[in-house]
Amino acid sequence: DTGVSQNPRHKITKRGQNVTFRCDPISEHNRLYWYRQTLGQGPEFLTYFQNEAQLEKSRLLSDRFSAERPKGSFSTLEIQRTEQGDSAMYLCASSYLGTQETQYFGPGTRLLVL
Amino acid sequence: GESVGLHLPTLSVQEGDNSIINCAYSNSASDYFIWYKQESGKGPQFIIDIRSNMDKRQGQRVTVLLNKTVKHLSLQIAATQPGDSAVYFCAAPFAGNMLTFGGGTRLMVKP
Repeated sequence: DTGVSQNPRHKITKRGQNVTFRCDPISEHNRLYWYRQTLGQGPEFLTYFQNEAQLEKSRLLSDRFSAERPKGSFSTLEIQRTEQGDSAMYLCASSYLGTQETQYFGPGTRLLVL
Repeated sequence: GESVGLHLPTLSVQEGDNSIINCAYSNSASDYFIWYKQESGKGPQFIIDIRSNMDKRQGQRVTVLLNKTVKHLSLQIAATQPGDSAVYFCAAPFAGNMLTFGGGTRLMVKP
């Protein structure tokens, strides 16, 4: 399967703990995006990378959130001092920089903060 | 700010009938529009997209119509099947590369 993969698929944590999610994009894609989706809503943009550079961050991305893409391939999203309001599905997407960049999504990581 | 929105949160159709899911947007500055399908517990799956210089685009059993005059987008699914049951989102990159999604329409297919 050459699609976008995300790990873990599910994560349950206690409030105050740190969590880290990983995304592996489609291999030739140089853009990688993180979105958050709460129940019954559409995905909301968090941040995106072009190669290893983080080019845009949403106001939703508080200082407890940090994302990296150190070698321009996989990316990690870390949430420090988790809060119950962080409970959501975290989606990763990738695209290839070109005339029309269709974003392809991974299966998501569902986070539950107790 | 920019937004996209779907007209109906839920749509119920009979198996074999055609489905039409509608979406409205508030900003004309997007180059293209995309429809995604999301099944329970999965990430959004790309269905079809359309550039802003087109009015219609067809895929396999799906057609997207774009009316820029009234800022309206629709997804038509022919001969709806049980496997089409999912939540459908319209989306557009209004600001840079970030996609803005609508709230989604849940399509339920009755056997």
